Amino acid sequence: GQNIDQPTEMTATEGAIVQINCTYQTSGFNGLFWYQQHAGEAPTFLSYNVLDGLEEKGRFSSFLSRSKGYSYLLLKELQMKDSASYLCAVRLTNSGYSTLTFGKGTMLLVSP
Amino acid sequence: GAGVSQSPSNKVTEKGKDVELRCDPISGHTALYWYRQRLGQGLEFLIYFQGNSAPDKSGLPSDRFSAERTGESVSTLTIQRTQQEDSAVYLCASSHTPGQGVHEQYFGPGTRLTVT
Repeated sequence: GQNIDQPTEMTATEGAIVQINCTYQTSGFNGLFWYQQHAGEAPTFLSYNVLDGLEEKGRFSSFLSRSKGYSYLLLKELQMKDSASYLCAVRLTNSGYSTLTFGKGTMLLVSP
Repeated sequence: GAGVSQSPSNKVTEKGKDVELRCDPISGHTALYWYRQRLGQGLEFLIYFQGNSAPDKSGLPSDRFSAERTGESVSTLTIQRTQQEDSAVYLCASSHTPGQGVHEQYFGPGTRLTVT
């Protein structure tokens, strides 16, 4: 089966750096996505990795190691508005089509 | 252009009644997905449409759940004989044909279903 693990909750302080880890055991891997979801809102796309390495996009960076089945999302210079749930999702390609399998999400609370 | 829209935004229904949830994807997006999100939980995949066909229905929890898509646009998710365990937010997402490249999914605001 497919399995995606990420911590349930994390806390951090405004201005700090936080790393949210995601590990996966899947078949048919074809990319890893991170989404942000504020309470009561729809998820919004943050980043995508398909090759090993680091992808940087402003304050957010995402890393992937396919051999280890591991990714992390790095958030720098944390702001209060970064308090949200962060969802790791693996794109699986089987039988010629692709779907996303999501982890349960990591709730990040940023405090002053 | 407009994003993914869903209606209704909220639905309260009595146990045993049928409900129909609607999703209007982004124009030109051939792929459409339905997910369920229970309170405090992650997204649970329900069904995937490529065009008007559904190559993956593996996430539908029971035969009370069905979905269709017409004209490569609007999709409806129908839940028959609703149960209290069906209470959740139902999210719809659309994307270009998934495969190589990013082709991220764009999510609608969801329909919050409460079964009393």
